[in-house]
Amino acid sequence: NAGVTQTPKFQVLKTGQSMTLQCAQDMNHEYMSWYRQDPGMGLRLIHYSVGAGITDQGEVPNGYNVSRSTTEDFPLRLLSAAPSQTSVYFCASSQIGGGATEAFFGQGTRLTVV
Amino acid sequence: GEDVEQSLFLSVREGDSSVINCTYTDSSSTYLYWYKQEPGAGLQLLTYIFSNMDMKQDQRLTVLLNKKDKHLSLRIADTQTGDSAIYFCAERTGGFKTIFGAGTRLFVKA
Repeated sequence: NAGVTQTPKFQVLKTGQSMTLQCAQDMNHEYMSWYRQDPGMGLRLIHYSVGAGITDQGEVPNGYNVSRSTTEDFPLRLLSAAPSQTSVYFCASSQIGGGATEAFFGQGTRLTVV
Repeated sequence: GEDVEQSLFLSVREGDSSVINCTYTDSSSTYLYWYKQEPGAGLQLLTYIFSNMDMKQDQRLTVLLNKKDKHLSLRIADTQTGDSAIYFCAERTGGFKTIFGAGTRLFVKA
């Protein structure tokens, strides 16, 4: 099982550029989410999805778009990169419903905006 | 609103016990989790506790939950240098959304 796969692992962007961070999972999980991790601030939820065709905003959605056309994929788009978006981005997936359904995380994408 | 708070740093000597504390605000949380993050890696689940339990033990790990005070702790017995990492407390709300604390960086001195 590959679990949750994120690409790329590292990326440097210039201010104003756009790009898409990829996330794919092979566990048939309904719930997928994107977090950003900044020093001393833990993980902050950007966007999440509870199934194909359904997305919603998290705590810090501004400057990011998502879509969920399939159960497996949940790409995160930066529309016009800003230095404030320099961070480590994590994608996670989990089942929905009863039970202690843990979140499975990708390895992260380290993004630097110059 | 939903919030999870943890202290940012903890330093212990190898062989001692580590206790990492966490407070949360959402009384409707169903599950509470401890995740571990090693350098350059994603988060991995260490253990979890259901909200109607007081304690859970899993080898060197003991989780204590005080639901009245909304306080969660993780005790690591016989702490080793390999335990050095960031530990995140998290609560699950609304059936699927997981809210994370800022993480506690554990330093283990040899």
